[in-house]
Amino acid sequence: GNSVTQMEGPVTLSEEAFLTINCTYTATGYPSLFWYVQYPGEGLQLLLKATKADDKGSNKGFEATYRKETTSFHLEKGSVQVSDSAVYFCAALVDKLIFGTGTRLQVFP
Amino acid sequence: GAGVSQSPRYKVAKRGQDVALRCDPISGHVSLFWYQQALGQGPEFLTYFQNEAQLDKSGLPSDRFFAERPEGSVSTLKIQRTQQEDSAVYLCASTLSSSGSLADTQYFGPGTRLTVL
Repeated sequence: GNSVTQMEGPVTLSEEAFLTINCTYTATGYPSLFWYVQYPGEGLQLLLKATKADDKGSNKGFEATYRKETTSFHLEKGSVQVSDSAVYFCAALVDKLIFGTGTRLQVFP
Repeated sequence: GAGVSQSPRYKVAKRGQDVALRCDPISGHVSLFWYQQALGQGPEFLTYFQNEAQLDKSGLPSDRFFAERPEGSVSTLKIQRTQQEDSAVYLCASTLSSSGSLADTQYFGPGTRLTVL
């Protein structure tokens, strides 16, 4: 069946460190791919998306590239800030949005 | 308000009670979605409306779960005879799309945390 797998957390980094959160998907065809973020006490917010192979989504310094060869959509940021601490969800749109289990990022000063 | 709102934010129910969860989507948004998010998990799709029509209810876990959107705006998710396994955060999301494209950005509400004792 369709599924999204992302790395387990928590991911703990110091401020200004490089971030990668891995995400792979299993689906028929080429789904649109998304990263959502949930800050403490807030609802899910769309961070970025890509709708076809080789597209790169970017927002707030975060980037992710749709790789159909590896069925991946890894999230990266070159220099994280304390304010990036949140839970990040990867999702694939098949006939509905399918989410991964979420990865908690903790950034310390 | 500018965003999706949900009420109540927290609900505690005794096993066997019925509950009703409300979602107010962004004004003018055509599509509305309900998700269930268990602790430590990602949201799981429950059901989807386009205007007042419920186009997909394949994610509803049992016939105790019922959703409606009678006037194509506010939606209510009702759970009858609640069980402990129903404890979760229930999320509502809406999209502007008038074409019915599911690829449009979904805007999420803060969720209702349901605890069944």
